[in-house]
Order: sequence, then structure tokens, then C-alpha cells
Amino acid sequence: GAVVSQHPSRVICKSGTSVKIECRSLDFQATTMFWYRQFPKQSLMLMATSNEGSKATYEQGVEKDKFLINHASLTLSTLTVTSAHPEDSSFYICSAPTRGGQAAYEQYFGPGTRLTVT
Amino acid sequence: GIQVEQSPPDLILQEGANSTLRCNFSDSVNNLQWFHQNPWGQLINLFYIPSGTKQNGRLSATTVATERYSLLYISSSQTTDSGVYFCAVGINTGTASKLTFGTGTRLQVTL
Repeated sequence: GAVVSQHPSRVICKSGTSVKIECRSLDFQATTMFWYRQFPKQSLMLMATSNEGSKATYEQGVEKDKFLINHASLTLSTLTVTSAHPEDSSFYICSAPTRGGQAAYEQYFGPGTRLTVT
Repeated sequence: GIQVEQSPPDLILQEGANSTLRCNFSDSVNNLQWFHQNPWGQLINLFYIPSGTKQNGRLSATTVATERYSLLYISSSQTTDSGVYFCAVGINTGTASKLTFGTGTRLQVTL
């Protein structure tokens, strides 16, 4: 299967600072990637769609000025949480779809980044 | 948007038992995936199954798209099967599809 990596796996930051999370597709190219957020014992909620070479699109209720997304290449998308607050503490997961074959559009997920804002 | 409900929400099995997990969705989809989220949070792809039946070892899945449900079967369960099972659905358009995740089934397999 396809491999998606994330860095860092865990980060602790102080309130008011910014944190950048990287998502990479290691063995395939992805013109589109997705960012999800998961709170403890809850399901995954889609935050935004990251598009290579163009602006990200955000789901309703997600602040685009707070969660900055940059899809700089066909294998890298970054999510920057700006001016983080304790309520932004969560598990952030990215995904990327593969193309072609019988399972076109099958999405593969990174291992996640656990953000704690103190 | 699409609503996705999974049942049961929690399941405790003894090792060796079989189980069936269900995923109901509220609208037509052409993308359906099953995942296992392990205790470290990693989502592991189990099946990409917008329709039909697939099997992979002790796991199998069936999706009846016309009736808007999918089933995941786990046979001869093992303690390593513990974790949360999610189904996710979407509509494939352009280069990808946004996935809507179900509520999840938390499975615990005991010795």
C-alpha cells in the first residue's frame, strides 16, 4: 500500500505560538491531500482539502486564518496552527488518495500528530 | 451532508469469536473504505469497497450500495484486532473524494 508520513508525531507548545505539521506522500504523488482532526474518543472530522498549486478549501466552521495550509509540491502539504490555544489540542491526521487501478481514490493516512497546547 | 452510523458502538469479544460490524449511510456514495485505528492512532486500510464483497484473511466486507450499508466481518478474532473500526464514505469527483467518517465501533478482544 501507499505510505504517508507526518512530522512531528507529537508536539507540545505554549499558548500563542504557532506549530507547523508536515504531511508527505512517500511513494506516490498527490495533487490533493486532506487534513482531519480527531478529539479523544471521537471520530475524524475533515478540516480542509489541500490542493497542489492552489488555495486550500476549508470545511464549514474551520478558520482558514488559524489553520494555514500550503501544498508546495506533489508530495508535501503543511498545516500551520497559528496562535495556538489549549482548545486546539487534538490529534491531527493527513491523508492522500492514490490514483489509478481498481482502487482509484483510495485514501491512505499518515500516523497523525498529537498537538498539546499548554 | 452524508450521515454515517456504525453499530454496535462498543463490542467485547473473547479471542476466537466472530463478529459483524455494520455501517449505514444516508446517501448514495461511490467511495467506501473500512479502517482499523490502532492504539497509537494509526489508521490502517482494511478495504476499499464501494460495492460487492472482498476478503482478506480473517476479514471480509460486503457493501450493498443500493441499500446504503456495508458490513465488516471479523472471524477468529485475536487480541491484536482490538481498536476502533471506522467506515468512511464519499463521492469521487475530480482527483479525490472527501470522506465522511462514521461514528466508529470500539472493539476489545480478551483472552
